[in-house]
Amino acid sequence: NAGVTQTPKFQVLKTGQSMTLQCAQDMNHEYMSWYRQDPGMGLRLIHYSVGAGITDQGEVPNGYNVSRSTTEDFPLRLLSAAPSQTSVYFCASSYQSDPRDSPLHFGNGTRLTVT
Amino acid sequence: EDQVTQSPEALRLQEGESSSLNCSYTVSGLRGLFWYRQDPGKGPEFLFTLYSAGEEKEKERLKATLTKKESFLHITAPKPEDSATYLCARGSGTASKLTFGTGTRLQVTL
Repeated sequence: NAGVTQTPKFQVLKTGQSMTLQCAQDMNHEYMSWYRQDPGMGLRLIHYSVGAGITDQGEVPNGYNVSRSTTEDFPLRLLSAAPSQTSVYFCASSYQSDPRDSPLHFGNGTRLTVT
Repeated sequence: EDQVTQSPEALRLQEGESSSLNCSYTVSGLRGLFWYRQDPGKGPEFLFTLYSAGEEKEKERLKATLTKKESFLHITAPKPEDSATYLCARGSGTASKLTFGTGTRLQVTL
């Protein structure tokens, strides 16, 4: 029972490099999202998707791209990494988009450092 | 703007010493109030959903309550394994847009 799987667990990038953070869920959840967690700040929503082919921006979308070609996968792309993107990134999914009906399930995060 | 404020920032309890964590939130457009537990190096783990003022939910030593402006997470006779960061979040909109607080870091000692 894997749940939400994020890879890699750790990554170090140089400024200007690009990379993709992977997220996969095996629970047939329609809703998926990406959050970042920084010290002294709450988790902040980057992008979300209510189903395959549908994505939208959250609170802090700049510098990130997403796509959702399948129900299972929701990769997060950093186009040109900046030190301000040093953070812990969490992918989350739920069966439905209304959080009152189905709680979010989180992966264990990717810790990204940009030097 | 949606806001969630948690207090205290950190709390140290002895085993068996009951206490409460506080979460205050902006009321307008609330679609649920949520509590999560986060262990070091892990993602948040869902604990409770509260829908409306007056509601209470319980799980083992934890009880979550909701008023019109605040939510409380009561911890009764805590054990060391209850040590974690507890996150509060409010829901808004129709697409699981959760606004999280910064959490309360709880340490329970023997």
